[in-house]
Amino acid sequence: GAVVSQHPSWVICKSGTSVKIECRSLDFQATTMFWYRQFPKQSLMLMATSNEGSKATYEQGVEKDKFLINHASLTLSTLTVTSAHPEDSSFYICSARDTGGPDNEQFFGPGTRLTVL
Amino acid sequence: GQQLNQSPQSMFIQEGEDVSMNCTSSSIFNTWLWYKQDPGEGPVLLIALYKAGELTSNGRLTAQFGITRKDSFLNISASIPSDVGIYFCAGPPFNYGKLTFGQGTILTVHP
Repeated sequence: GAVVSQHPSWVICKSGTSVKIECRSLDFQATTMFWYRQFPKQSLMLMATSNEGSKATYEQGVEKDKFLINHASLTLSTLTVTSAHPEDSSFYICSARDTGGPDNEQFFGPGTRLTVL
Repeated sequence: GQQLNQSPQSMFIQEGEDVSMNCTSSSIFNTWLWYKQDPGEGPVLLIALYKAGELTSNGRLTAQFGITRKDSFLNISASIPSDVGIYFCAGPPFNYGKLTFGQGTILTVHP
């Protein structure tokens, strides 16, 4: 149980285009999902908290108009990187909190490698 | 923001050796989580600790929630090559609610 999927697993795009990444909880409902980014050999940095049916909460320094988050159902959150630039290249990981489980446990997706040319 | 100090940053060990890593914080944590991340993958939860003093095992892994609620350690016994990866401690500081991650410990196991 507690499986989280991400799609795509990797994507290469041209500078200026937008990229959408999906995060799905496969066998549980997730009122809350989280989006992280990770640079090589570094830890995970929280970007935003995605809440089903309401606006996402962004961490300080993260541009909400740049990283659009939609959490339209209890099993799906999407992150759209708008007008992507090379500095947006990174490993993006989502996690989901099981609505029926312990508050502090998060289950992570396999990540999406974004490369912007 | 909240910070976790995780050490060591990296370890190079021989297969069969035991491993120990730890995390400390200046803030009280109400949960400690230990994750393992393989290259190009997301973190996988290894052990979750909820009570100060709690000692929990998962196979060859053992983790403890420090009694001061400001530290935790993870031990791996009789390491094997597939233990290779990055280990992260994480937790929500009291009254904060969001996970804060340690810097990670890169483990290399030589056959």
